[in-house]
Amino acid sequence: GQQVMQIPQYQHVQEGEDFTTYCNSSTTLSNIQWYKQRPGGHPVFLIQLVKSGEVKKQKRLTFQFGEAKKNSSLHITATQTTDVGTYFCAGPRETSGSRLTFGEGTQLTVNP
Amino acid sequence: GAVVSQHPSWVICKSGTSVKIECRSLDFQATTMFWYRQFPKKSLMLMATSNEGSKATYEQGVEKDKFLINHASLTLSTLTVTSAHPEDSSFYICSAWTGALRTEAFFGQGTRLTVV
Repeated sequence: GQQVMQIPQYQHVQEGEDFTTYCNSSTTLSNIQWYKQRPGGHPVFLIQLVKSGEVKKQKRLTFQFGEAKKNSSLHITATQTTDVGTYFCAGPRETSGSRLTFGEGTQLTVNP
Repeated sequence: GAVVSQHPSWVICKSGTSVKIECRSLDFQATTMFWYRQFPKKSLMLMATSNEGSKATYEQGVEKDKFLINHASLTLSTLTVTSAHPEDSSFYICSAWTGALRTEAFFGQGTRLTVV
C-alpha cells in the first residue's frame, strides 16, 4: 500500500538555526499537505501543494513539492521557540482522495 | 477556517466500561469525518471513515465492534470505545472533510483516554 516516509524523526536545533524535514511517498500524489502539532495539541493544517515543482512560502517557512510529485520538504529559516512541535506531511490515498496517509512526523525542539 | 470541536478533551474510565467521544463540525456540514488514534510520539493512525447516514468504513485491523462509530447528522460523529481496556488508552482525534473543493483536514482538539 501507499507509504509516506518522513525524515528525520527528531531534530534539535538552537534558536536561530535553520530546520528542514523531508517527506517521500511511495506513490505519486495529487497533492501534499503539511500539518503542525504542538505538544499536547492537535494537528493544524499549514499548507497544501498541488503543482509539480511548486514552492510556497509562509513567512519563515518554505514548502516545496517535487517535480515527480512524490516528495516534499519544509524548511524553516531562523527557528524560534514558537516553532516547537511535530511537523507531519500527508498525502491523499490513491483509492480515496478524502483519506490521508500521514508521514511519521518530525519532532522539532528549539533550544533558546 | 472550519472549526471542529471534540468532546471530552480527556477522560479516565474503568476497565470494562464504555466511553463515548463526540466530534462536531461547528460552522460547516461534514459529510465525512475521520477518526484517528495517536500513540505518544507517533503518527496518526486512521481507524475509520465515518459517512453521514451510512455505516463507517474501518481500516484493516480495527475492530468495529469495539470502536463503534455513528454519524447521525452532517455535524456530529461519535466514537464509542466499548468494554475499554488499558491497551485502549490513547489519544483519539477526529477530523472533518469539508468536501471535494477543499481537501485539507480540520482536526478536533483530541481526546486523551486513560483506562484504569
